[in-house]
Amino acid sequence: DTGVSQDPRHKITKRGQNVTFRCDPISEHNRLYWYRQTLGQGPEFLTYFQNEAQLEKSRLLSDRFSAERPKGSFSTLEIQRTEQGDSAMYLCASSRKGMDEQFFGPGTRLTVL
Amino acid sequence: GNSVTQMEGPVTLSEEAFLTINCTYTATGYPSLFWYVQYPGEGLQLLLKATKADDKGSNKGFEATYRKETTSFHLEKGSVQVSDSAVYFCALSAYNFNKFYFGSGTKLNVKP
Repeated sequence: DTGVSQDPRHKITKRGQNVTFRCDPISEHNRLYWYRQTLGQGPEFLTYFQNEAQLEKSRLLSDRFSAERPKGSFSTLEIQRTEQGDSAMYLCASSRKGMDEQFFGPGTRLTVL
Repeated sequence: GNSVTQMEGPVTLSEEAFLTINCTYTATGYPSLFWYVQYPGEGLQLLLKATKADDKGSNKGFEATYRKETTSFHLEKGSVQVSDSAVYFCALSAYNFNKFYFGSGTKLNVKP
């Protein structure tokens, strides 16, 4: 039983560049969540998908951020024109509908120089 | 709205000491409550949960009771070990489990 995986684990980029992260959920999970965690803080909700439908987006998700889950399996989170304030750990989680527990991946740490 | 407040850390204890990490919440409706743990370099792992008032969640010697009257879900362990050193997050999910609200985390350091 493989858990949630995320790629890459670390990303260093220059301000203004675009970055894309990938999340592979647990295979039978139809819900997928993205969170952002800054140093010393708890994760903050960004968006979630049920199957391929994006059902909710946080106001934290500016128009530079876009997330997709085209076939209801893996998901990508893209940040365009990165800013230093985007530096954070980006966490992905998955669950089944009706399941109250979310399973988290190891995260992608983004550093914007 | 929904929010979680937990005690600030770091908390430093000697091995075998008693642990309490306070967590209080505000929520609309009837949330489920969780404690997650994050070991260095790893992702968040579910430690325990409670889905309704007066439920007690327990795992690996840790316990927490869902107290609706005090809107609290304090984490306790009778005798901590060095291996318990980690960051602990209190969280709630409200309505249909579509997202979690996390506290800011409490770092626990256990010294031998």
